[in-house]
Amino acid sequence: QSVLTQPPSVSAAPGQKVTISCSGSSSNIGNNYVSWYQQLPGTAPKLLIYENNKRPSGIPDRFSGSKSGTSATLGITGLQTGDEADYYCGTWDNSLSGGVFGGGTKVTVL
Amino acid sequence: EVQLMESGGGLVKPGGSLRLSCAASGFSFSAYSMNWVRQAPGKGLEWVSSISSSTTYIDYADSVKGRFTISRDNAKNTLYLQMNSLRAEDTAVYYCARDPCSSTSCYSPWGQGTLVTVSS
Repeated sequence: QSVLTQPPSVSAAPGQKVTISCSGSSSNIGNNYVSWYQQLPGTAPKLLIYENNKRPSGIPDRFSGSKSGTSATLGITGLQTGDEADYYCGTWDNSLSGGVFGGGTKVTVL
Repeated sequence: EVQLMESGGGLVKPGGSLRLSCAASGFSFSAYSMNWVRQAPGKGLEWVSSISSSTTYIDYADSVKGRFTISRDNAKNTLYLQMNSLRAEDTAVYYCARDPCSSTSCYSPWGQGTLVTVSS
């Protein structure tokens, strides 16, 4: 059971938009920045979003992040077949004194 | 190019020990906090441990506390994870990851991972 809650899967047609939610509590998301990671099949995770809504260099602006209270959201617009992957949210938990992740969301492009 | 390369994984019996290494290159290793994150087969990501740049701050997940020890050698640009009293549930791909976020924890880049299998 993950500390952060994500939907197991989301799907949409090419060119459409998907959003992935990440729900936590005041000890994690509520008081810390959220980051998002993309894990393509058979590869290591890659940072997509940090500090709630910032994109590292090289990450297209089709990917966006937001946070409100104890929840965060990753948005992907202009969905491409290459976006099929598992996506994870992550943050620090002050009560656990450790990093925490969501269970991951599999994005399928129909 | 910023790179991380793990090594040291393998097959070990329950109760055994293993030491993982993570060689860093392309950045000032001594300036960054570093982390170990693992992923059991077919499962999600689990944070394991973190160590600050000067080793002042060290944290562990409850699942490994007392059994695993994180350390670093800034002169050798290398991160370590000493794993003792290994259990079947420690079977996973272990990734090392740099923390480039000064105000919070985030992980980038990640190494390619090294597989640890605990089985008799």
